[in-house]
Parts: sequence; structure tokens; C-alpha cells
Amino acid sequence: DTGVSQDPRHKITKRGQNVTFRCDPISEHNRLYWYRQTLGQGPEFLTYFQNEAQLEKSRLLSDRFSAERPKGSFSTLEIQRTEQGDSAMYLCASSLGATDREGYTFGSGTRLTVV
Amino acid sequence: DAKTTQPNSMESNEEEPVHLPCNHSTISGTDYIHWYRQLPSQGPEYVIHGLTSNVNNRMASLAIAEDRKSSTLILHRATLRDAAVYYCIRLDSWGKLQFGAGTQVVVTP
Repeated sequence: DTGVSQDPRHKITKRGQNVTFRCDPISEHNRLYWYRQTLGQGPEFLTYFQNEAQLEKSRLLSDRFSAERPKGSFSTLEIQRTEQGDSAMYLCASSLGATDREGYTFGSGTRLTVV
Repeated sequence: DAKTTQPNSMESNEEEPVHLPCNHSTISGTDYIHWYRQLPSQGPEYVIHGLTSNVNNRMASLAIAEDRKSSTLILHRATLRDAAVYYCIRLDSWGKLQFGAGTQVVVTP
């Protein structure tokens, strides 16, 4: 297992377009998390899954954002009608459980630029 | 609300120890203390975590105060590759990491 994979690494899109990012967690990990990070700030929690169930969504997550994790494996994060304020690094992480002895493993992120 | 307090930045000379403080005065008895670091253009990387006892691993040591209101991450011999933002995070039983601004560590040759 090579860790958490995110695709694409970079995405440039025009304002108003829809974009979708994919995250492949470590195969035996039950939990999957999405974060957003802007320049100079720490990662900001967006949502997380326990297997296929989405357990929590941040209040900061607008209705234009949706995430899925079908069959409890990979996950997708879709942003509809993108805005310039959506430009950020989108990070995915996975873990075995809530307090994983080995910590959480993050992917390298998808950098979104909305022009 | 990250619920931890860290200095904005710290500087160290190469091959010297680095002590990174973190204040978590409102921590509850079941919250874990996690440390992650983030190198430029990379996702955060797990460093170490603990509950009550001091912890050591190949990357660092974690010293937890007896009252658990503060902790210190110790990098025993800083290298240039240790230059990163270090995040101290309280992790509750729901298991959702909430990052603050972290401490930017600068290592000088």
C-alpha cells in the first residue's frame, strides 16, 4: 500500500464550472476525512466518513460541496459552480479508527485554482 | 476552535534540540494529544501522540505535563529537513483532527 492517493494533483478551472476530486485511502482504513487549506493557514475540517456513512459535515461547507464514499472505499469531493474563494489545497486523510494508534495518514492534496 | 495554543515560530540551529511547547489547558481526561508536521507543498505528516505518559518514537519525544494542561514536542537533533509547521492537536473520542495555525520551525545551518 502506497498510502493515501489524491487525484488530480492540480486543477485549474473557470469560475462557475464543476470539479470533482478523488481520494483513495489506505485500504484497511475505515475513516476518511476531507480538509481544505488556504495559504498560511492550518487545514480546515470539511467532512468525514466512517466506512460509507458520512458522519459529520462542517458548517462552513456550503451546499455547493458534496462528498461521497460509495462502498466505503474511495471518496469523491465535488464542488459545483466554483467560485474564486474555493481556490485552496484540498487534503484527504484516512485512519483505522477515531484514535488510531498509528495516527492519520494524509495525501499530498489537490490544489484547486479558480480563475 | 483548535483549543490549543502554540508559539507562531521558533528557530533552532542544526543538530541542536528543539522544544516545541503547546498549551491545552481545557483538555478533558480522554482527549489525546497529537502532533503533526507539514513540510512545504505536502500534506500533514503524523509525528507522535500520547494520552498521559511521555512517548518516544523514531521521529521525536512527547513530554506531557502531569496535569495534562500542556505538552512539549522534542526534536532531539534538528536537521534542515525538520523545517516545517508543527501542529499540536487535541483529539477527542470522535476522532476529528482540528488544526490551529501551528508553529513554524526554522532550522539554521
